[in-house]
Amino acid sequence: QQQVKQSPQSLIVQKGGISIINCAYENTAFDYFPWYQQFPGKGPALLIAIRPDVSEKKEGRFTISFNKSAKQFSLHIMDSQPGDSATYFCAAIQEGSQGNLIFGKGTKLSVKP
Amino acid sequence: DTAVSQTPKYLVTQMGNDKSIKCEQNLGHDTMYWYKQDSKKFLKIMFSYNNKELIINETVPNRFSPKSPDKAHLNLHINSLELGDSAVYFCASRRTGGAEQYFGPGTRLTVT
Repeated sequence: QQQVKQSPQSLIVQKGGISIINCAYENTAFDYFPWYQQFPGKGPALLIAIRPDVSEKKEGRFTISFNKSAKQFSLHIMDSQPGDSATYFCAAIQEGSQGNLIFGKGTKLSVKP
Repeated sequence: DTAVSQTPKYLVTQMGNDKSIKCEQNLGHDTMYWYKQDSKKFLKIMFSYNNKELIINETVPNRFSPKSPDKAHLNLHINSLELGDSAVYFCASRRTGGAEQYFGPGTRLTVT
């Protein structure tokens, strides 16, 4: 019940293309779903997050789509750039609880020029 | 101002040695974590501390001992280092009940 499943494990996209990373969760008590971006040699950093009262959240070229009934959420990176090349982690948590963020296993994105 | 800081950034040592990694956060958070990230980039939670008390110990060998002298610090001491301990270790913090979690820059441990 605590798992967050992330796919694909790796992704290669051409510059200007759309990168899509998918995650699925099991625990219906989760109510906060962040995405973290990690560049080589750096710690993961919060990129964008969504709560289940909305189906989509957009910040610049980054969009989270959320499907509560399917218990799935995804990250879309529009107009992907080489500078977006990084590892992306989805996560989930029940906000307000003593629980901890449950992370997906990560997706390594490479954007080719 | 660095929110979550770790020292050292790199640590190279021989098998059998004992080493420590230090973590400090200036965010006023009361929950701190240690994660291990292996070569496949999996982020595996090792310990969770809340107000200086151990909350989670995720099947970590007892060679690993976290120490929290106060809410702002969570250090990781590792005894009798093994080759398999080579990884990047991340400290993180979060306000209990809050959603956002902040990571430190990581410590790359190499055991030879």
